[in-house]
Amino acid sequence: ETGVTQSPTHLIKTRGQQVTLRCSSQSGHNTVSWYQQALGQGPQFIFQYYREEENGRGNFPPRFSGLQFPNYSSELNVNALELDDSALYLCASSGRDRNSPLHFGNGTRLTVT
Amino acid sequence: QQQVKQSPQSLIVQKGGISIINCAYENTAFDYFPWYQQFPGKGPALLIAIRPDVSEKKEGRFTISFNKSAKQFSLHIMDSQPGDSATYFCAALPSGGATNKLIFGTGTLLAVQP
Repeated sequence: ETGVTQSPTHLIKTRGQQVTLRCSSQSGHNTVSWYQQALGQGPQFIFQYYREEENGRGNFPPRFSGLQFPNYSSELNVNALELDDSALYLCASSGRDRNSPLHFGNGTRLTVT
Repeated sequence: QQQVKQSPQSLIVQKGGISIINCAYENTAFDYFPWYQQFPGKGPALLIAIRPDVSEKKEGRFTISFNKSAKQFSLHIMDSQPGDSATYFCAALPSGGATNKLIFGTGTLLAVQP
């Protein structure tokens, strides 16, 4: 069983730039969620994708967008980066059921300078 | 605003002791309460979870206690070991939603001293 993998592991960007983060789901999982974890904080829900459609979104602006592909892998795109976007971005895959446990990847550490 | 409050922020326990982490929620109905363990440089991993129709759940050295009327739940780690040193997050799943969006607490950094 392959776990959730994320790339890249670390990334440094300049304010105003755009970034794309990638995630491969655990085999057998068809739902992907993205979370932002600021330093010293708990993860915060960004959005969730199922069958290539966004089906839930947290309190994040539209410059945070995503995609899910037919193989259930996913991308998180952030436009017009701000300093406060510096965080660990976590991808989690799960089954469709809302009580299905989340399986997290190790995240992408994004630093915006 | 949906919120889960977690305490303490950090905890130091001697090897063999009991680690206790508390969480509380208010104003919102939740129907699933997982606990996650996170080591440095890793993503959170599910440790144990409970539903509100159960007051206690035990898995090995880990026990969740749930008090529905007080809207509080806690994690007990018995016989704490240095390998348990990690950050622990409680979380809650809002009831009635279509997603498995979790609301996380702010985390507790546990250090178990040998």
